[in-house]
Amino acid sequence: DIQMTQSPSSLSTSIGDRVAITCRASQSINKYLNWFQQKPGKAPKLLIYGVSSLQSGVPSRFSGSGSETDFTLTISSLQPEDFATYYCQQSYSTPYTFGQGTKLEI
Amino acid sequence: EVQLVETGGGMIQPGGSLTLSCAVSGFSVSNFYMSWIRQAPGKGLDWVSLIYTAGSTSYADSVKGRFTISRDNSKNTLYLQMNSLRAEDTAVYYCARSALSGTDAFDIWGQGTMVTVSP
Repeated sequence: DIQMTQSPSSLSTSIGDRVAITCRASQSINKYLNWFQQKPGKAPKLLIYGVSSLQSGVPSRFSGSGSETDFTLTISSLQPEDFATYYCQQSYSTPYTFGQGTKLEI
Repeated sequence: EVQLVETGGGMIQPGGSLTLSCAVSGFSVSNFYMSWIRQAPGKGLDWVSLIYTAGSTSYADSVKGRFTISRDNSKNTLYLQMNSLRAEDTAVYYCARSALSGTDAFDIWGQGTMVTVSP
């Protein structure tokens, strides 16, 4: 199975901050890396697919980068609605696996 | 409107069985890969099972042999039959669609249904 390791697990941030969350795969996953945002009591929401493609309707302050095994989700200027938990996920092969999550806190 | 609505959750004793349903609207369940993903209370996301458009299936090792994913194209509904339930199966269960973007990202999610396995 492919292990996905996110860091940090939590991050204290402020409105307007630039934030970067990293995700490392235990083997190369090519372009099959996706990012999700989840708010308490809600289903996850797709933000970025295929490493860097922005899902329709997602603000452009979200961006993704990386390749092979190392990936980054960047939020250019944090907004109040961005305080949530973020997960990376590999869709290269089953069993699909998620990172453990990164919680953004004020 | 593209929508997924899960039903069938509840409280069940260890060793029991439960079937979850995911009603699909706005697209045909047979035209997309569909998955079940779960989240234990306070924990992260855990992929459970996938059914491909051709009908073949894949499972996490933790549920293999106990859970069965299926779909009814005439009802446009996805199912998860869960047998021999354990306390560690307690979670919110989400159904999700894989996008046709080439990377199979989960682009549409249901609201989730809670399954509690407890004596």
